[in-house]
Order: sequence, then structure tokens, then C-alpha cells
Amino acid sequence: DTAVSQTPKYLVTQMGNDKSIKCEQNLGHDTMYWYKQDSKKFLKIMFSYNNKELIINETVPNRFSPKSPDKAHLNLHINSLELGDSAVYFCASSQGLLAGVNQETQYFGPGTRLLVL
Amino acid sequence: GENVEQHPSTLSVQEGDSAVIKCTYSDSASNYFPWYKQELGKRPQLIIDIRSNVGEKKDQRIAVTLNKTAKHFSLHITETQPEDSAVYFCAAIQQTGANNLFFGTGTRLTVIP
Repeated sequence: DTAVSQTPKYLVTQMGNDKSIKCEQNLGHDTMYWYKQDSKKFLKIMFSYNNKELIINETVPNRFSPKSPDKAHLNLHINSLELGDSAVYFCASSQGLLAGVNQETQYFGPGTRLLVL
Repeated sequence: GENVEQHPSTLSVQEGDSAVIKCTYSDSASNYFPWYKQELGKRPQLIIDIRSNVGEKKDQRIAVTLNKTAKHFSLHITETQPEDSAVYFCAAIQQTGANNLFFGTGTRLTVIP
């Protein structure tokens, strides 16, 4: 059983296109995240959602629009793709937001490798 | 936001030797510090974590130490094995209402058989 899953695994597309990446977790967690890992392997938080509500947007361009239809899903839609968007995008989830009670441990999905040509 | 620095960026050790990776953080309010291991083409996987009310934690060959006063924490791997070769990331959670992980820049560990 895959705890956090993402589709697609690979995504190759042209500049200017719009694409979506889907994420699902079957852990019963309340909080989900999107991270971007660039070619130098830097991992950076993009968004976090708790109970379908946006908590943090870490200065991500508004071409990126996350959508959470329910607690188990957090999808990422990207408009007008640019070359610099090429990266691996990781979804993650944690039980909740409370500190000190094991809620903050985050589990990552397998990643989506996006290549913009 | 939180700023996490990690050293060294690359580390090569002989099989059986120990490896140490060090991180510093900027926000004194941060209170949760996980370590992730990422093998080539795979997802980051949690290997150990420590909370700010604890100074040291050990799990078999892996240990983490935390110095809150100095705002630094370290990962220690003993009796290294070739399968320990990977990129290791430290991280800190900034308690601003969301458990956003701020990652270090990663350490590529190579264990030479």
C-alpha cells in the first residue's frame, strides 16, 4: 500500500502549457504539502494545506494553484509553464499541525519529475 | 523564514568508519528537527528526528544530537555500509501555524567498500 502517491511520475511538456499533478494520501492525515526540488537538489516548501484550507504559500508565483477537494487529496495546477519550473515536485503529508505529539512528521510521495522544453 | 545550513556538501568515508553531518538553524523557536535520506531517483525518507526537549536520540547505527543554545544539530552514522550512500537532508520546522519543513542543502554521502 502506497501511503502518499502522486501522478504522473514523469511529465514532459512545452513552455506555455498548463499541467496538473495529483497527490493522494491514505494515512488519514489532515495536513498536506507541496515541495519543489531543483536540479541542485534543494528542497523548498511551496504550500501547506490543513483540512483543505491553505495555511502557507511560500512566495510561489500565482501561476501555481493548489487545490484540495478533500483532506486526502492535494493537487497542483501550473499555468503558463516556464523553463525554470523544471524540477521534481514532491507531495507530503503529516497527521496535523500540533507540535510535540508526533503530528509534525512528514511522509513524502514518490515525486513528479517535470521537464519543460 | 527559517534558514538551515548544512555541512559538508559531500562526504566520502571508508566502509566501517563513522560519518558526521552538521546543521545550524536560525529561528530559536524551531522545535522539531528531522533527518531525511534520499537515494537516487527516490523520495526523501525520514530516518530519525529529534525534538527540542531532547539533547540526543539514537536508533541503532544512527544518532542525532541537538544543541539548542548554539542552534545546531548533527547526524552521526556509525559502522557505515555501502547502502548508507545517499543524499542526507536536515530540516527544521518553524512553528508559525504550519509545520513547514525548511531543509538544509543536503550532504552527498559516499561509503567506499
